[in-house]
Amino acid sequence: EAQVTQNPRYLITVTGKKLTVTCSQNMNHEYMSWYRQDPGLGLRQIYYSMNVEVTDKGDVPEGYKVSRKEKRNFPLILESPSPNQTSLYFCASSAARARTEAFFGQGTRLTVV
Amino acid sequence: GENVEQHPSTLSVQEGDSAVIKCTYSDSASNYFPWYKQELGKRPQLIIDIRSNVGEKKDQRIAVTLNKTAKHFSLHITETQPEDSAVYFCAAQPGTASKLTFGTGTRLQVTL
Repeated sequence: EAQVTQNPRYLITVTGKKLTVTCSQNMNHEYMSWYRQDPGLGLRQIYYSMNVEVTDKGDVPEGYKVSRKEKRNFPLILESPSPNQTSLYFCASSAARARTEAFFGQGTRLTVV
Repeated sequence: GENVEQHPSTLSVQEGDSAVIKCTYSDSASNYFPWYKQELGKRPQLIIDIRSNVGEKKDQRIAVTLNKTAKHFSLHITETQPEDSAVYFCAAQPGTASKLTFGTGTRLQVTL
């Protein structure tokens, strides 16, 4: 079954404690991205990757890091989380060509206290 | 970069009525416009899309229209049902890249 898998689904952490949210896809997609979803702001892109070892900033990259060492995995790293990073996070993947469907993970609800 | 505006932010209709959600985009290079539906607690999923060489596309009770000159596109849902209740996102994508820019979402509630 084609899918994008994120873990964990829910996470409560304290300010400053490094965390990683994992994302894995089994569709051999080149393009992967991370979004955060906040009420009234929609889905905003954090980082994206066009392929292995190729990553770039999206619209709201501050406070986040990513890596793409393997085609299937695209983890999101928060080195020093702050309360304003409390949000719902989605990973998505798609084929590299234009006009193709983006497949989303189940989402990770992160709370930073 | 691309900017997508979406209206209204909330929409309440009675079952059986029609619902219309409108989006505008800023980048004339955008030529792919998908719509995603997000049910409560679920992930966004593609429900319909339209390419810039097409003015309208229908799939059963949903349709999308595109006006390239005015840079706006709309989602039309006819004969709404309770299961249509969800958040709907429009998006725009330039022809040469994979990046999607999303609107801010519309929460549609279909009441009995």
